[in-house]
Amino acid sequence: DVKVTQSSRYLVKRTGEKVFLECVQDMDHENMFWYRQDPGLGLRLIYFSYDVKMKEKGDIPEGYSVSREKKERFSLILESASTNQTSMYLCASSPRRGNSPLHFGNGTRLTVT
Amino acid sequence: GNSVTQMEGPVTLSEEAFLTINCTYTATGYPSLFWYVQYPGEGLQLLLKATKADDKGSNKGFEATYRKETTSFHLEKGSVQVSDSAVYFCALSGSLAGGYNKLIFGAGTRLAVHP
Repeated sequence: DVKVTQSSRYLVKRTGEKVFLECVQDMDHENMFWYRQDPGLGLRLIYFSYDVKMKEKGDIPEGYSVSREKKERFSLILESASTNQTSMYLCASSPRRGNSPLHFGNGTRLTVT
Repeated sequence: GNSVTQMEGPVTLSEEAFLTINCTYTATGYPSLFWYVQYPGEGLQLLLKATKADDKGSNKGFEATYRKETTSFHLEKGSVQVSDSAVYFCALSGSLAGGYNKLIFGAGTRLAVHP
């Protein structure tokens, strides 16, 4: 079974802090994604990566950056956390071939106070 | 652009009732369609998918048929169980830079099943 592991289930950070969310997958998938999930809005794509050191902006990249130094690891970085970034963050991975399903981690619930 | 619209929840049913969760989409081309389920405290997992018009996806008693003429992919189950209580997301595949696949999700529909 594909396993996507997010390093923290819950995080509480202060406004202005730099925050790192880590994600590791064990199936050698090329594609990795970061989504945020908010009630009534579903999942919105923040950033994705289709190869090591490659990254592309999704629909809502403002206030975020990412890092992919190794194929199995994809990090989401909040440069200066703000209260409107309080959300559930979901990492996912998939093989490169088209229409493959995404495999999700269990999510990190981030609260910024 | 591509988009997905789901019926608002929550949907509250008694055990063994019939379930329908409506999903309609707007898309160019011929996307694949998916239903994902999120159980409490977990990430999303694929429930079923359909890759072309008139395909029926099915899994765990759930079914959905890809209807191009009505741009719909409604989720159905004949007899729900308490363990089906979860949030259900309809999604379609779209294209990303470089032609890589991405998913566009609906807002999600919460289902609560009572004994």
